Amino acid sequence: AQKVTQAQTEISVVEKEDVTLDCVYETRDTTYYLFWYKQPPSGELVFLIRRNSFDEQNEISGRYSWNFQKSTSSFNFTITASQVVDSAVYFCALSVRETSYDKVIFGPGTSLSVIP
Amino acid sequence: EPEVTQTPSHQVTQMGQEVILRCVPISNHLYFYWYRQILGQKVEFLVSFYNNEISEKSEIFDDQFSVERPDGSNFTLKIRSTKLEDSAMYFCASSDWTGDYSNQPQHFGDGTRLSIL
Repeated sequence: AQKVTQAQTEISVVEKEDVTLDCVYETRDTTYYLFWYKQPPSGELVFLIRRNSFDEQNEISGRYSWNFQKSTSSFNFTITASQVVDSAVYFCALSVRETSYDKVIFGPGTSLSVIP
Repeated sequence: EPEVTQTPSHQVTQMGQEVILRCVPISNHLYFYWYRQILGQKVEFLVSFYNNEISEKSEIFDDQFSVERPDGSNFTLKIRSTKLEDSAMYFCASSDWTGDYSNQPQHFGDGTRLSIL
């Protein structure tokens, strides 16, 4: 079975602080994809990043960076110099080849509040 | 940038009534999905659809649910006899085959908030 855990339910930071959102996943499949989605207060789901299981390179996109560590089954997300617009719920998610990647399994989400 | 569009944004329906949620996937995408998010909870997979048939469905997707691609552009989710617990945000998503042999990522619409009274 597949599972995604986001242990941090809610995080509050002051603007310009760095913040890391944790994600731990479980799967027996050796081929899988990991994702992060952002859900702002308006409710839509915004795709942020996809990473496949064979690519453990860290990625940076502007103020966002992701750290994928297969050894610990973790795919953590760091926002540098946070801004108020980063306030949202962030979901880590997983899809596996066993189900033809059809079913994206979402974690419970981490609600991030950035205080001005 | 192409988008998945969903209508209506908010649907209010009496319990026991049928409801149809509509989605227009990104035009060149071949894979379609519905997800549900009960207020304050995580997003849950309902069903995936490819080549005019269901390819995967969850235990949530019981006989009261059905999906259809009635024409070349729309993808619909029908709930036959709504219950109070069907109140949720419903997201449609679509994806295409990419160069690395997968159909990810899935691109989501803005959702339809369904309220059952």
